[in-house]
Amino acid sequence: QVQLQESGPGLVKPSQTLSLTCTVSGGSISSGSYYWSWIRQPAGKGLEWIGRIYTSGSTNYNPSLKSRVTISVDTSKNQFSLKLSSVTAADTAVYYCARESLSFIFDPWGQGTLVTVSS
Amino acid sequence: DIQMTQSPSSLSASVGDRVTITCQASQDISNYLNWYQQKPGKAPKLLIYDASNLETGVPSRFSGSGSGTDFTFTISSLQPEDIATYYCQQYGAFGGGTKVEIK
Repeated sequence: QVQLQESGPGLVKPSQTLSLTCTVSGGSISSGSYYWSWIRQPAGKGLEWIGRIYTSGSTNYNPSLKSRVTISVDTSKNQFSLKLSSVTAADTAVYYCARESLSFIFDPWGQGTLVTVSS
Repeated sequence: DIQMTQSPSSLSASVGDRVTITCQASQDISNYLNWYQQKPGKAPKLLIYDASNLETGVPSRFSGSGSGTDFTFTISSLQPEDIATYYCQQYGAFGGGTKVEIK
């Protein structure tokens, strides 16, 4: 079955760009009709959808983060990536990647990776 | 943008109790409502999709209902392993979560 795994730096300095990659295994990122999404969760708080990409490259972003977010896909590596610019301490969170159906169901999820923004 | 209002934010119940969580959408979302379970330190897990469909492998004590703007998630008989936070979701909007504890 499809599995997702996040990777990237666990510590980012304020004002810099957070970069994460999600590697998809057990299936091709290009097969089927799915979106590929990023979701985050600050410690002790709820879930916040960041954005999604379709394998065609089309994207949708959370309006609250849109000016700072870029999601891209590399089908040759079966990966998709997140870049969040100008980070502050408020961006400290566990970041999850997930496969999203065309009816907006998130399943499965990666295990999540903690990113801390601190100097 | 659609807003999802989930209540209560937390609850405490005894093993065997029936537990109910509600989720209200800010506009009509038909039956496009999903429920997830998140245990501490783990990623959310899909339990119910399209308001009332049980994900494969999920115990039948979990159920969902509703359409339009008002939805309900029920655990018919609370078990110790059900201790978790539960979230409703539609499109890019999540409810605030309900933390379920054992009394």
